[in-house]
Amino acid sequence: LAKTTQPISMDSYEGQEVNITCSHNNIATNDYITWYQQFPSQGPRFIIQGYKTKVTNEVASLFIPADRKSSTLSLPRVSLSDTAVYYCLVGDDYGQNFVFGPGTRLSVLP
Amino acid sequence: DTEVTQTPKHLVMGMTNKKSLKCEQHMGHRAMYWYKQKAKKPPELMFVYSYEKLSINESVPSRFSPECPNSSLLNLHLHALQPEDSALYLCASSQALGTGELFFGEGSRLTVL
Repeated sequence: LAKTTQPISMDSYEGQEVNITCSHNNIATNDYITWYQQFPSQGPRFIIQGYKTKVTNEVASLFIPADRKSSTLSLPRVSLSDTAVYYCLVGDDYGQNFVFGPGTRLSVLP
Repeated sequence: DTEVTQTPKHLVMGMTNKKSLKCEQHMGHRAMYWYKQKAKKPPELMFVYSYEKLSINESVPSRFSPECPNSSLLNLHLHALQPEDSALYLCASSQALGTGELFFGEGSRLTVL
């Protein structure tokens, strides 16, 4: 049911900026784009949500181009504790933002 | 209070046992969700309740029985489970169905022997 495609895994080093891109070619007009972070054996945690252009909060930025067919989560200056799985969600067949795709496993190396 | 509380954190049960998982939130959220997550896989949606009524059942086997006694509580009753049902069971809530962010609990780790 998920309508998103993400890289399966990414590696980065401490202090670098990490950009994770999500493709959602069939995004509907009313769909928002939401990103979650999950550590092992914990529930996912909300990172950021956006509809268009750019959204920024204290932990991340979300860039959405005009056609909205993709989005990029940007994590500035990652640390080892940012090692986690990152999920991009858009509206599913029900039009709701609660179906998870495969996610991207980010490994931050020292 | 922005917490979703799940109990128990760990549960071991035999295939003939009956047990329940419990989820509680006091944020006034009107949508609540059950997910199942196997190792290295994404959370898999099981059930969705909206205003205490079952809105979505993702073709979950009847050995899993959800219940929403009130707007703050969500239960998952387990009966005659199989070893392959061993997983992390996550509960989440949101203000309303499909709006805003999902708040997740820490999960209940279930092992079926």
